[in-house]
Amino acid sequence: SYELTQPPSVSVSPGQTARITCSGDALPRKYAYWFQQKSRQAPVLVIYEDTKRPSGIPERFFAFSSGTKAILSISGAQVDDEADYYCYSTDSSGNQWVFGGGTRLTVL
Amino acid sequence: QVTLRESGPALVKPTETLTLTCTFSGFSLTTNGMCVSWIRQPPGKALEWLARIDWDGDEYYNTSLKTRLTVSKDTSKNQVVLTMTNMDPADTATYYCARTRPYGSGPALDFWGQGTLVTVSS
Repeated sequence: SYELTQPPSVSVSPGQTARITCSGDALPRKYAYWFQQKSRQAPVLVIYEDTKRPSGIPERFFAFSSGTKAILSISGAQVDDEADYYCYSTDSSGNQWVFGGGTRLTVL
Repeated sequence: QVTLRESGPALVKPTETLTLTCTFSGFSLTTNGMCVSWIRQPPGKALEWLARIDWDGDEYYNTSLKTRLTVSKDTSKNQVVLTMTNMDPADTATYYCARTRPYGSGPALDFWGQGTLVTVSS
């Protein structure tokens, strides 16, 4: 079955840029989506179709795709950005959707 | 404004069938391009996509769970129902429904319910 691979954790100091990667064999051909999930809350979509931000998501959240990797970048990281971040995409068939294992972002 | 709410039993016994209902407002599943997905999250673990039903009735399932899952819709009630058979303690999770769109059609999983915790235990 198709898998998306993320690092378990990323840690940055406030004001720095956090970068979270997501690897998957179909990513050169399929969009990646990114979700932020704070403790005990439902996930929130922060990036769709590789690079697009839904309304209300700050410009500090930036993403792109390069080969088999999708990358989420959060510039000027704030304590409020601490959360689990999940990538999401589909396999080559377009009918099976998967989440990555999640990356816990710590800002301290 | 778009809202979704999951409802169903908080506790089920092993081997039983789970039935969850997603009641939504602010959009219609009769609108071209509208879909609803189910996602679950075991305590302390990652999100797992389960199934999707589309405005045109197409259904998609996680292949590893396909034999146990059924998703259906009642457009007159603005509801989507997920059934999962033969429940096991490993199915203990928070179950979410979310509005979504077909691939490449814009924001996916852009609105979520608050989730409902289902515990499987005898």
